[in-house]
Amino acid sequence: RKEVEQDPGPFNVPEGATVAFNCTYSNSASQSFFWYRQDCRKEPKLLMSVYSSGNEDGRFTAQLNRASQYISLLIRDSKLSDSATYLCVVNPFNTDKLIFGTGTRLQVFP
Amino acid sequence: NAGVTQTPKFQVLKTGQSMTLQCAQDMNHEYMSWYRQDPGMGLRLIHYSVGAGITDQGEVPNGYNVSRSTTEDFPLRLLSAAPSQTSVYFCASSTLAGGYNEQFFGPGTRLTVL
Repeated sequence: RKEVEQDPGPFNVPEGATVAFNCTYSNSASQSFFWYRQDCRKEPKLLMSVYSSGNEDGRFTAQLNRASQYISLLIRDSKLSDSATYLCVVNPFNTDKLIFGTGTRLQVFP
Repeated sequence: NAGVTQTPKFQVLKTGQSMTLQCAQDMNHEYMSWYRQDPGMGLRLIHYSVGAGITDQGEVPNGYNVSRSTTEDFPLRLLSAAPSQTSVYFCASSTLAGGYNEQFFGPGTRLTVL
Protein backbone atom coordinates (compact mmCIF):
# COMPACT_ATOMS: atom_id res chain seq x y z
CA ARG A 1 0.00 0.00 0.00
CA LYS A 2 1.31 3.45 -0.88
CA GLU A 3 2.07 5.74 2.05
CA VAL A 4 -0.09 8.50 0.59
CA GLU A 5 -2.88 7.80 -1.89
CA GLN A 6 -4.97 10.15 -3.98
CA ASP A 7 -7.52 9.76 -6.72
CA PRO A 8 -5.68 11.03 -9.81
CA GLY A 9 -8.86 12.41 -11.39
CA PRO A 10 -9.30 14.40 -13.48
CA PHE A 11 -12.17 16.13 -11.79
CA ASN A 12 -13.95 18.22 -14.42
CA VAL A 13 -16.26 20.79 -12.82
CA PRO A 14 -18.04 23.94 -14.03
CA GLU A 15 -17.20 27.35 -12.67
CA GLY A 16 -18.97 27.99 -9.39
CA ALA A 17 -19.13 24.33 -8.41
CA THR A 18 -17.96 22.88 -5.12
CA VAL A 19 -15.46 20.06 -5.36
CA ALA A 20 -13.77 17.90 -2.72
CA PHE A 21 -10.67 15.74 -2.79
CA ASN A 22 -9.65 13.11 -0.29
CA CYS A 23 -6.25 11.70 0.47
CA THR A 24 -5.49 8.67 2.64
CA TYR A 25 -2.23 7.98 4.48
CA SER A 26 -0.97 4.71 5.86
CA ASN A 27 1.24 5.79 8.79
CA SER A 28 -1.04 6.43 11.74
CA ALA A 29 1.74 8.29 13.54
CA SER A 30 2.02 10.95 10.83
CA GLN A 31 2.14 14.36 12.37
CA SER A 32 2.00 17.08 9.74
CA PHE A 33 -0.22 17.39 6.70
CA PHE A 34 -0.33 19.78 3.77
CA TRP A 35 -1.99 20.50 0.47
CA TYR A 36 0.24 21.79 -2.34
CA ARG A 37 -0.86 23.08 -5.71
CA GLN A 38 1.08 22.38 -8.90
CA ASP A 39 0.36 24.08 -12.20
CA CYS A 40 1.32 22.35 -15.43
CA ARG A 41 5.11 22.18 -15.84
CA LYS A 42 5.66 24.34 -12.76
CA GLU A 43 6.96 23.72 -9.28
CA PRO A 44 4.61 22.81 -6.39
CA LYS A 45 3.56 25.60 -4.06
CA LEU A 46 2.01 25.38 -0.61
CA LEU A 47 -1.75 25.85 -0.69
CA MET A 48 -2.43 25.27 2.99
CA SER A 49 -1.38 23.31 6.03
CA VAL A 50 -3.94 20.96 7.57
CA TYR A 51 -4.53 21.24 11.30
CA SER A 52 -6.30 18.81 13.59
CA SER A 53 -9.13 21.26 14.11
CA GLY A 54 -9.51 21.88 10.38
CA ASN A 55 -8.78 25.18 8.73
CA GLU A 56 -10.23 27.50 6.17
CA ASP A 57 -8.64 29.99 3.81
CA GLY A 58 -11.17 31.83 1.71
CA ARG A 59 -12.83 29.33 -0.61
CA PHE A 60 -10.59 26.48 0.55
CA THR A 61 -11.23 24.25 3.56
CA ALA A 62 -8.95 21.47 4.75
CA GLN A 63 -9.93 18.75 7.22
CA LEU A 64 -8.02 16.00 9.00
CA ASN A 65 -9.60 12.76 10.15
CA ARG A 66 -7.01 10.89 12.21
CA ALA A 67 -9.32 7.99 13.06
CA SER A 68 -9.83 7.15 9.40
CA GLN A 69 -6.41 8.43 8.33
CA TYR A 70 -7.45 10.82 5.63
CA ILE A 71 -7.31 14.49 4.85
CA SER A 72 -9.63 16.40 2.60
CA LEU A 73 -9.67 19.59 0.59
CA LEU A 74 -12.90 21.37 -0.27
CA ILE A 75 -12.98 24.11 -2.89
CA ARG A 76 -16.11 26.25 -3.05
CA ASP A 77 -17.17 28.48 -5.93
CA SER A 78 -14.54 27.04 -8.28
CA LYS A 79 -12.71 29.45 -10.56
CA LEU A 80 -11.04 28.75 -13.88
CA SER A 81 -7.77 29.64 -12.16
CA ASP A 82 -8.23 26.74 -9.73
CA SER A 83 -7.39 24.33 -12.56
CA ALA A 84 -4.24 22.57 -11.38
CA THR A 85 -3.00 19.40 -9.73
CA TYR A 86 -3.45 19.24 -5.95
CA LEU A 87 -0.83 17.28 -4.03
CA CYS A 88 -1.44 15.74 -0.64
CA VAL A 89 1.69 15.79 1.52
CA VAL A 90 2.38 13.99 4.81
CA ASN A 91 5.26 14.19 7.27
CA PRO A 92 5.57 10.82 9.04
CA PHE A 93 6.27 10.93 12.75
CA ASN A 94 9.86 11.31 13.84
CA THR A 95 11.25 11.74 10.33
CA ASP A 96 12.61 14.68 8.40
CA LYS A 97 10.88 13.55 5.22
CA LEU A 98 7.81 14.64 3.34
CA ILE A 99 5.81 12.03 1.44
CA PHE A 100 3.91 13.31 -1.59
CA GLY A 101 0.83 11.81 -3.12
CA THR A 102 0.64 11.51 -6.89
CA GLY A 103 -1.82 14.38 -7.06
CA THR A 104 -5.43 14.97 -8.10
CA ARG A 105 -6.00 16.92 -11.28
CA LEU A 106 -8.77 19.51 -11.30
CA GLN A 107 -10.10 21.10 -14.48
CA VAL A 108 -12.62 23.90 -14.11
CA PHE A 109 -14.54 24.74 -17.28
CA PRO A 110 -16.62 27.84 -18.16
CA ASN B 1 15.33 37.34 -2.50
CA ALA B 2 15.77 34.97 -5.42
CA GLY B 3 14.32 32.07 -3.38
CA VAL B 4 15.38 28.66 -4.66
CA THR B 5 17.25 28.61 -7.95
CA GLN B 6 18.13 25.60 -10.06
CA THR B 7 20.42 25.23 -13.04
CA PRO B 8 20.22 24.11 -15.74
CA LYS B 9 16.53 24.26 -16.70
CA PHE B 10 16.94 21.60 -19.38
CA GLN B 11 19.63 18.99 -19.98
CA VAL B 12 20.13 16.10 -22.38
CA LEU B 13 22.71 13.46 -21.49
CA LYS B 14 23.94 10.28 -23.06
CA THR B 15 23.92 7.07 -21.07
CA GLY B 16 27.00 6.87 -18.87
CA GLN B 17 27.68 10.60 -18.70
CA SER B 18 27.89 12.34 -15.36
CA MET B 19 26.65 15.77 -14.41
CA THR B 20 25.73 17.97 -11.48
CA LEU B 21 22.40 19.69 -11.00
CA GLN B 22 22.84 22.91 -9.07
CA CYS B 23 20.53 24.18 -6.35
CA ALA B 24 20.91 27.31 -4.26
CA GLN B 25 18.71 29.19 -1.80
CA ASP B 26 19.15 32.59 -0.22
CA MET B 27 16.65 32.25 2.64
CA ASN B 28 19.08 30.75 5.16
CA HIS B 29 17.00 27.58 5.32
CA GLU B 30 18.42 24.64 7.22
CA TYR B 31 16.51 21.96 5.31
CA MET B 32 17.13 21.21 1.63
CA SER B 33 16.00 18.29 -0.46
CA TRP B 34 15.93 16.85 -3.96
CA TYR B 35 12.90 15.20 -5.55
CA ARG B 36 12.24 13.63 -8.89
CA GLN B 37 8.82 13.71 -10.48
CA ASP B 38 7.69 11.11 -12.97
CA PRO B 39 4.23 10.67 -14.55
CA GLY B 40 1.96 8.66 -12.27
CA MET B 41 4.60 8.47 -9.52
CA GLY B 42 4.35 11.85 -7.84
CA LEU B 43 7.36 13.48 -6.23
CA ARG B 44 9.86 11.05 -4.75
CA LEU B 45 12.56 12.10 -2.32
CA ILE B 46 16.12 11.40 -3.50
CA HIS B 47 18.31 12.95 -0.80
CA TYR B 48 17.89 15.57 1.87
CA SER B 49 19.92 17.62 4.30
CA VAL B 50 19.05 19.21 7.65
CA GLY B 51 22.11 21.45 7.69
CA ALA B 52 25.59 22.03 6.35
CA GLY B 53 27.67 18.87 6.53
CA ILE B 54 24.64 16.59 7.06
CA THR B 55 22.96 14.58 4.32
CA ASP B 56 20.70 11.55 4.29
CA GLN B 57 19.04 9.26 1.80
CA GLY B 58 15.47 9.50 0.73
CA GLU B 59 13.26 7.03 -1.05
CA VAL B 60 15.22 6.69 -4.32
CA PRO B 61 18.90 7.54 -3.68
CA ASN B 62 20.61 5.02 -5.98
CA GLY B 63 22.63 6.62 -8.76
CA TYR B 64 22.77 10.02 -7.07
CA ASN B 65 25.17 11.74 -4.70
CA VAL B 66 24.79 14.96 -2.73
CA SER B 67 26.89 17.17 -0.52
CA ARG B 68 26.10 20.17 1.66
CA SER B 69 29.24 22.19 2.25
CA THR B 70 27.34 25.44 2.78
CA THR B 71 23.85 26.36 3.97
CA GLU B 72 23.05 27.88 0.59
CA ASP B 73 24.04 25.14 -1.87
CA PHE B 74 22.89 21.55 -2.32
CA PRO B 75 24.13 20.07 -5.61
CA LEU B 76 22.89 16.72 -6.92
CA ARG B 77 25.36 14.58 -8.83
CA LEU B 78 24.42 11.89 -11.32
CA LEU B 79 27.34 9.50 -11.37
CA SER B 80 26.61 7.57 -14.57
CA ALA B 81 23.37 8.63 -16.20
CA ALA B 82 20.82 6.00 -17.21
CA PRO B 83 17.60 6.34 -19.23
CA SER B 84 15.66 5.53 -16.03
CA GLN B 85 16.89 8.85 -14.64
CA THR B 86 14.96 10.78 -17.27
CA SER B 87 12.72 12.93 -15.09
CA VAL B 88 11.96 16.39 -13.75
CA TYR B 89 14.11 17.21 -10.74
CA PHE B 90 13.01 19.67 -8.08
CA CYS B 91 15.09 21.12 -5.29
CA ALA B 92 13.30 22.45 -2.20
CA SER B 93 14.20 24.20 1.01
CA SER B 94 12.54 25.11 4.27
CA THR B 95 13.25 26.28 7.75
CA LEU B 96 13.06 23.74 10.53
CA ALA B 97 12.19 26.22 13.24
CA GLY B 98 9.07 25.24 15.14
CA GLY B 99 8.57 21.95 13.34
CA TYR B 100 7.71 21.22 9.74
CA ASN B 101 7.24 24.22 7.52
CA GLU B 102 6.45 25.28 3.99
CA GLN B 103 8.73 23.81 1.37
CA PHE B 104 9.88 26.31 -1.24
CA PHE B 105 10.60 24.67 -4.56
CA GLY B 106 12.90 25.68 -7.35
CA PRO B 107 11.59 25.82 -10.95
CA GLY B 108 12.89 22.35 -11.78
CA THR B 109 15.40 20.77 -14.15
CA ARG B 110 14.07 18.67 -17.02
CA LEU B 111 16.59 15.91 -17.70
CA THR B 112 16.54 13.51 -20.61
CA VAL B 113 18.98 10.60 -20.77
CA LEU B 114 19.35 8.99 -24.17
